[in-house]
Amino acid sequence: EAQVTQNPRYLITVTGKKLTVTCSQNMNHEYMSWYRQDPGLGLRQIYYSMNVEVTDKGDVPEGYKVSRKEKRNFPLILESPSPNQTSLYFCASSPGAWSANYGYTFGSGTRLTVV
Amino acid sequence: TQLLEQSPQFLSIQEGENLTVYCNSSSVFSSLQWYRQEPGEGPVLLVTVVTGGEVKKLKRLTFQFGDARKDSSLHITAAQPGDTGLYLCAGEDTGNQFYFGTGTSLTVIP
Repeated sequence: EAQVTQNPRYLITVTGKKLTVTCSQNMNHEYMSWYRQDPGLGLRQIYYSMNVEVTDKGDVPEGYKVSRKEKRNFPLILESPSPNQTSLYFCASSPGAWSANYGYTFGSGTRLTVV
Repeated sequence: TQLLEQSPQFLSIQEGENLTVYCNSSSVFSSLQWYRQEPGEGPVLLVTVVTGGEVKKLKRLTFQFGDARKDSSLHITAAQPGDTGLYLCAGEDTGNQFYFGTGTSLTVIP
């Protein structure tokens, strides 16, 4: 089944403790992206990747890192999480850079709480 | 900067009623998509519209792209409880930047 898999689904952590949220897709998609979803603010892009070793900042990149060493994986790293990073996070992929020909396939989300 | 405003933000209706959700912007979009998100899941693509004035139908859902490509609407006929969810519009502007709207949360009461 074609899908985007995120882990973990739920995570509670303490301020300052480094964490990684994994994302993997099995569709050979070139484009991958991370979003956070907050009430009243909608989905905001954190980072995106056009292909292996090519990443770029989205609208809200502060406090996050990403890497794209393989086409299928796009982990999101929080080096020193803070409470304002408590949110619902989504990984998404697409065959190419977004255009009218494509749509995103989203993972099921990771609900992160930083205390 | 929030380019896409959706209205209403919340909508609760009885099964069998019709409804319309709006997605508005002051910017021109080269294309626009609608997604539905169910609780605990990621958004799922419903449709893409690319031509001003374009209308697409998906069973009881009708999507329209405004003539000036600045707005879009989603009309649901005879809503069912299975239509409950968060409806998101998303657009690519002429600078190839992609934005999501804030969403409309729909509840259909049996």
